[in-house]
Amino acid sequence: GEDVEQSLFLSVREGDSSVINCTYTDSSSTYLYWYKQEPGAGLQLLTYIFSNMDMKQDQRLTVLLNKKDKHLSLRIADTQTGDSAIYFCASRQRGGADGLTFGKGTHLIIQP
Amino acid sequence: DSGVTQTPKHLITATGQRVTLRCSPRSGDLSVYWYQQSLDQGLQFLIQYYNGEERAKGNILERFSAQQFPDLHSELNLSSLELGDSALYFCASSVGGLENTEAFFGQGTRLTVV
Repeated sequence: GEDVEQSLFLSVREGDSSVINCTYTDSSSTYLYWYKQEPGAGLQLLTYIFSNMDMKQDQRLTVLLNKKDKHLSLRIADTQTGDSAIYFCASRQRGGADGLTFGKGTHLIIQP
Repeated sequence: DSGVTQTPKHLITATGQRVTLRCSPRSGDLSVYWYQQSLDQGLQFLIQYYNGEERAKGNILERFSAQQFPDLHSELNLSSLELGDSALYFCASSVGGLENTEAFFGQGTRLTVV
Protein backbone atom coordinates (compact mmCIF):
# COMPACT_ATOMS: atom_id res chain seq x y z
CA GLY A 1 0.00 0.00 0.00
CA GLU A 2 0.83 3.67 -0.04
CA ASP A 3 3.58 4.96 2.23
CA VAL A 4 4.00 8.64 3.04
CA GLU A 5 7.22 9.85 4.64
CA GLN A 6 8.08 13.13 6.34
CA SER A 7 10.93 14.26 8.51
CA LEU A 8 9.88 14.55 12.15
CA PHE A 9 11.17 18.02 13.02
CA LEU A 10 11.93 21.33 11.35
CA SER A 11 13.29 24.35 13.18
CA VAL A 12 13.22 27.81 11.58
CA ARG A 13 13.68 31.38 12.70
CA GLU A 14 10.68 33.67 12.88
CA GLY A 15 10.36 35.60 9.64
CA ASP A 16 12.21 32.99 7.57
CA SER A 17 10.56 30.62 5.13
CA SER A 18 9.77 27.08 6.23
CA VAL A 19 9.89 24.22 3.76
CA ILE A 20 8.32 20.96 4.85
CA ASN A 21 8.98 17.99 2.62
CA CYS A 22 7.06 14.81 1.98
CA THR A 23 7.54 11.77 -0.24
CA TYR A 24 4.95 9.21 -1.24
CA THR A 25 5.19 5.90 -3.00
CA ASP A 26 1.97 5.36 -4.92
CA SER A 27 2.11 6.94 -8.35
CA SER A 28 -1.67 6.66 -8.63
CA SER A 29 -2.11 9.25 -5.89
CA THR A 30 -4.61 11.72 -7.24
CA TYR A 31 -4.81 14.33 -4.51
CA LEU A 32 -2.17 15.39 -2.02
CA TYR A 33 -2.99 17.34 1.10
CA TRP A 34 -1.39 19.37 3.84
CA TYR A 35 -3.04 19.42 7.25
CA LYS A 36 -2.03 21.40 10.33
CA GLN A 37 -2.53 20.19 13.88
CA GLU A 38 -2.01 22.56 16.77
CA PRO A 39 -1.53 21.19 20.30
CA GLY A 40 -4.74 19.66 21.61
CA ALA A 41 -6.63 20.48 18.45
CA GLY A 42 -8.00 18.66 15.46
CA LEU A 43 -6.64 18.60 11.94
CA GLN A 44 -7.06 21.72 9.88
CA LEU A 45 -6.99 21.37 6.11
CA LEU A 46 -4.45 23.91 4.83
CA THR A 47 -4.37 23.19 1.14
CA TYR A 48 -4.41 20.41 -1.40
CA ILE A 49 -3.13 19.89 -4.91
CA PHE A 50 -4.28 17.71 -7.78
CA SER A 51 -1.70 15.33 -9.13
CA ASN A 52 -1.80 17.02 -12.55
CA MET A 53 -0.59 20.30 -11.07
CA ASP A 54 2.99 21.36 -10.32
CA MET A 55 2.35 24.22 -8.00
CA LYS A 56 -0.37 25.87 -5.99
CA GLN A 57 -0.10 29.13 -4.10
CA ASP A 58 -2.44 30.37 -1.42
CA GLN A 59 -1.32 33.51 0.42
CA ARG A 60 1.77 32.53 2.45
CA LEU A 61 1.54 28.88 1.44
CA THR A 62 3.12 27.40 -1.68
CA VAL A 63 2.78 23.73 -2.53
CA LEU A 64 5.19 22.18 -5.02
CA LEU A 65 4.63 18.74 -6.52
CA ASN A 66 7.27 16.76 -8.36
CA LYS A 67 5.26 13.84 -9.64
CA LYS A 68 8.24 12.13 -11.23
CA ASP A 69 10.07 11.97 -7.90
CA LYS A 70 6.81 11.61 -5.89
CA HIS A 71 7.89 14.56 -3.77
CA LEU A 72 5.61 17.18 -2.25
CA SER A 73 6.65 20.27 -0.35
CA LEU A 74 4.91 22.98 1.62
CA ARG A 75 6.57 26.36 1.83
CA ILE A 76 5.38 28.81 4.46
CA ALA A 77 6.63 32.33 3.80
CA ASP A 78 7.43 34.73 6.66
CA THR A 79 6.97 32.05 9.32
CA GLN A 80 5.25 33.29 12.47
CA THR A 81 5.00 31.86 15.98
CA GLY A 82 1.38 30.96 15.20
CA ASP A 83 2.65 28.58 12.55
CA SER A 84 4.13 26.37 15.25
CA ALA A 85 2.29 23.05 14.86
CA ILE A 86 2.53 19.56 13.41
CA TYR A 87 2.10 19.46 9.64
CA PHE A 88 0.79 16.32 8.02
CA CYS A 89 1.14 15.35 4.43
CA ALA A 90 -1.56 13.00 3.13
CA SER A 91 -2.38 11.32 -0.13
CA ARG A 92 -5.48 9.86 -1.70
CA GLN A 93 -5.20 7.11 -4.27
CA ARG A 94 -7.22 6.87 -7.45
CA GLY A 95 -10.73 5.86 -6.46
CA GLY A 96 -10.07 7.02 -2.93
CA ALA A 97 -11.35 3.77 -1.51
CA ASP A 98 -8.84 3.66 1.31
CA GLY A 99 -9.31 7.06 2.83
CA LEU A 100 -6.29 9.28 3.22
CA THR A 101 -2.82 7.93 3.94
CA PHE A 102 -0.99 10.23 6.31
CA GLY A 103 2.66 10.77 7.04
CA LYS A 104 3.79 10.82 10.67
CA GLY A 105 3.81 14.60 10.71
CA THR A 106 6.54 17.25 10.87
CA HIS A 107 6.85 19.30 14.04
CA LEU A 108 7.57 22.89 13.00
CA ILE A 109 9.48 24.72 15.71
CA ILE A 110 9.80 28.48 15.48
CA GLN A 111 12.83 30.16 17.01
CA PRO A 112 12.53 33.83 17.98
CA ASP B 1 -14.26 25.57 13.25
CA SER B 2 -14.48 22.84 10.62
CA GLY B 3 -18.20 22.22 11.11
CA VAL B 4 -17.60 18.59 12.12
CA THR B 5 -18.70 17.90 15.69
CA GLN B 6 -17.41 15.04 17.78
CA THR B 7 -18.60 14.01 21.22
CA PRO B 8 -17.41 13.43 23.81
CA LYS B 9 -14.11 15.32 23.74
CA HIS B 10 -12.56 13.10 26.38
CA LEU B 11 -13.40 9.62 27.56
CA ILE B 12 -11.76 7.53 30.25
CA THR B 13 -12.80 3.93 30.63
CA ALA B 14 -11.53 0.61 31.90
CA THR B 15 -10.20 -2.34 29.97
CA GLY B 16 -12.87 -4.68 28.72
CA GLN B 17 -15.49 -1.96 28.47
CA ARG B 18 -17.37 -0.69 25.42
CA VAL B 19 -17.70 2.93 24.33
CA THR B 20 -19.46 4.83 21.56
CA LEU B 21 -18.01 7.87 19.87
CA ARG B 22 -20.30 10.17 17.97
CA CYS B 23 -19.73 12.37 14.94
CA SER B 24 -21.95 14.92 13.23
CA PRO B 25 -20.65 15.79 9.76
CA ARG B 26 -20.73 19.22 8.16
CA SER B 27 -24.11 20.20 6.80
CA GLY B 28 -24.49 18.71 3.34
CA ASP B 29 -21.61 16.24 3.64
CA LEU B 30 -22.55 12.66 2.82
CA SER B 31 -19.26 10.94 3.65
CA VAL B 32 -17.94 10.27 7.11
CA TYR B 33 -14.48 8.89 7.82
CA TRP B 34 -13.03 7.63 11.08
CA TYR B 35 -9.32 7.82 11.88
CA GLN B 36 -7.25 6.74 14.85
CA GLN B 37 -4.21 8.77 15.92
CA SER B 38 -1.75 7.10 18.25
CA LEU B 39 1.86 7.84 19.07
CA ASP B 40 3.23 4.66 17.56
CA GLN B 41 0.95 4.22 14.54
CA GLY B 42 0.33 7.82 13.61
CA LEU B 43 -2.92 8.63 11.82
CA GLN B 44 -4.63 5.53 10.49
CA PHE B 45 -7.76 5.33 8.41
CA LEU B 46 -10.37 3.08 10.00
CA ILE B 47 -13.55 3.19 7.96
CA GLN B 48 -15.67 5.31 5.63
CA TYR B 49 -19.42 5.61 5.26
CA TYR B 50 -21.20 7.29 2.40
CA ASN B 51 -24.88 8.16 2.65
CA GLY B 52 -25.51 5.45 5.21
CA GLU B 53 -23.53 2.66 3.62
CA GLU B 54 -20.06 1.38 4.34
CA ARG B 55 -17.79 2.51 1.50
CA ALA B 56 -14.26 1.58 2.50
CA LYS B 57 -12.46 -0.20 5.29
CA GLY B 58 -8.98 0.49 6.52
CA ASN B 59 -7.13 -0.83 9.55
CA ILE B 60 -10.22 -1.30 11.69
CA LEU B 61 -10.13 -4.05 14.31
CA GLU B 62 -12.94 -6.58 14.50
CA ARG B 63 -13.71 -5.29 18.01
CA PHE B 64 -14.58 -1.95 16.43
CA SER B 65 -17.65 -1.18 14.37
CA ALA B 66 -19.31 1.88 12.97
CA GLN B 67 -22.54 2.98 11.38
CA GLN B 68 -24.01 6.02 9.72
CA PHE B 69 -27.60 6.90 10.46
CA PRO B 70 -30.28 8.36 8.15
CA ASP B 71 -29.55 11.85 9.48
CA LEU B 72 -25.93 11.20 8.41
CA HIS B 73 -24.38 11.30 11.86
CA SER B 74 -22.06 8.44 12.59
CA GLU B 75 -21.05 6.40 15.60
CA LEU B 76 -17.90 4.41 16.18
CA ASN B 77 -18.29 1.57 18.66
CA LEU B 78 -15.22 0.23 20.41
CA SER B 79 -15.64 -2.92 22.47
CA SER B 80 -13.50 -5.17 24.68
CA LEU B 81 -11.21 -2.23 25.09
CA GLU B 82 -7.50 -2.73 25.63
CA LEU B 83 -4.84 -0.35 26.88
CA GLY B 84 -3.50 -0.08 23.35
CA ASP B 85 -6.80 1.38 22.13
CA SER B 86 -5.97 4.61 23.96
CA ALA B 87 -5.73 7.18 21.19
CA LEU B 88 -7.26 10.24 19.62
CA TYR B 89 -10.15 9.27 17.35
CA PHE B 90 -10.98 11.68 14.58
CA CYS B 91 -14.02 11.91 12.42
CA ALA B 92 -13.88 13.69 9.07
CA SER B 93 -16.54 14.48 6.52
CA SER B 94 -16.66 15.40 2.88
CA VAL B 95 -19.31 16.19 0.33
CA GLY B 96 -18.77 13.28 -1.99
CA GLY B 97 -17.62 9.72 -1.86
CA LEU B 98 -14.73 8.38 -3.81
CA GLU B 99 -13.29 11.32 -5.70
CA ASN B 100 -14.04 14.11 -3.28
CA THR B 101 -11.30 16.62 -2.77
CA GLU B 102 -11.67 18.03 0.71
CA ALA B 103 -12.15 16.21 3.99
CA PHE B 104 -12.71 18.31 7.09
CA PHE B 105 -11.82 16.95 10.49
CA GLY B 106 -13.47 17.28 13.85
CA GLN B 107 -11.59 18.09 17.04
CA GLY B 108 -11.32 14.44 17.98
CA THR B 109 -12.26 12.30 20.96
CA ARG B 110 -9.40 11.42 23.25
CA LEU B 111 -9.94 7.93 24.59
CA THR B 112 -7.95 6.75 27.59
CA VAL B 113 -8.25 3.12 28.59
CA VAL B 114 -7.02 2.37 32.10
